[in-house]
Amino acid sequence: GAGVSQSPSNKVTEKGKDVELRCDPISGHTALYWYRQSLGQGLEFLIYFQGNSAPDKSGLPSDRFSAERTGGSVSTLTIQRTQQEDSAVYLCASSLVWLAGAKTETQYFGPGTRLLVL
Amino acid sequence: DQQVKQNSPSLSVQEGRISILNCDYTNSMFDYFLWYKKYPAEGPTFLISISSIKDKNEDGRFTVFLNKSAKHLSLHIVPSQPGDSAVYFCAASLNSGGSNYKLTFGKGTLLTVNP
Repeated sequence: GAGVSQSPSNKVTEKGKDVELRCDPISGHTALYWYRQSLGQGLEFLIYFQGNSAPDKSGLPSDRFSAERTGGSVSTLTIQRTQQEDSAVYLCASSLVWLAGAKTETQYFGPGTRLLVL
Repeated sequence: DQQVKQNSPSLSVQEGRISILNCDYTNSMFDYFLWYKKYPAEGPTFLISISSIKDKNEDGRFTVFLNKSAKHLSLHIVPSQPGDSAVYFCAASLNSGGSNYKLTFGKGTLLTVNP
């Protein structure tokens, strides 16, 4: 079956412009996660969705970042007024389910979107 | 403040030998640990995990060891193969307390297996 897909694979933008990154999770996966990896760093948790709801947005770096998920499937991460420090690889993952207190579900990652802000 | 640390940015081993990748963590509340493998231009792929109630978990050529008192875990690959060459990420989560959705990753170790 198809894995997690992300688009675009690469994005170059100018400082101050808005960008929208898209994630298509594995079909049937109800939980969806966004991470980013800056150069030389590990993956940094941004936000997760259970269905269309995002119970924890505390990982979003600033109020320029927002994310939504519709129909329990596709998610978009929007960065407004991009800055050079936003340059990173943005990774999306999905898992079958998320249950509070249950075993951590395996998260399946997409290939990422490489964002470069000039 | 890095809660998961992989102090070796890179490791090089000969094909057929053992690869040992190390990971340290500072948050004693972490109770579930995972290793992911990442090839260039691809997303991380889950490899193996271990719960804090265990000290060892084995899956084929891959074994993860957990030393809770030292807050240390390691991934052993035996025998190493050239196809194992990739970046390996250690990750941790809290199964209890409802935070099991958030994986905290180390910076990764680049493993190169030479033929």
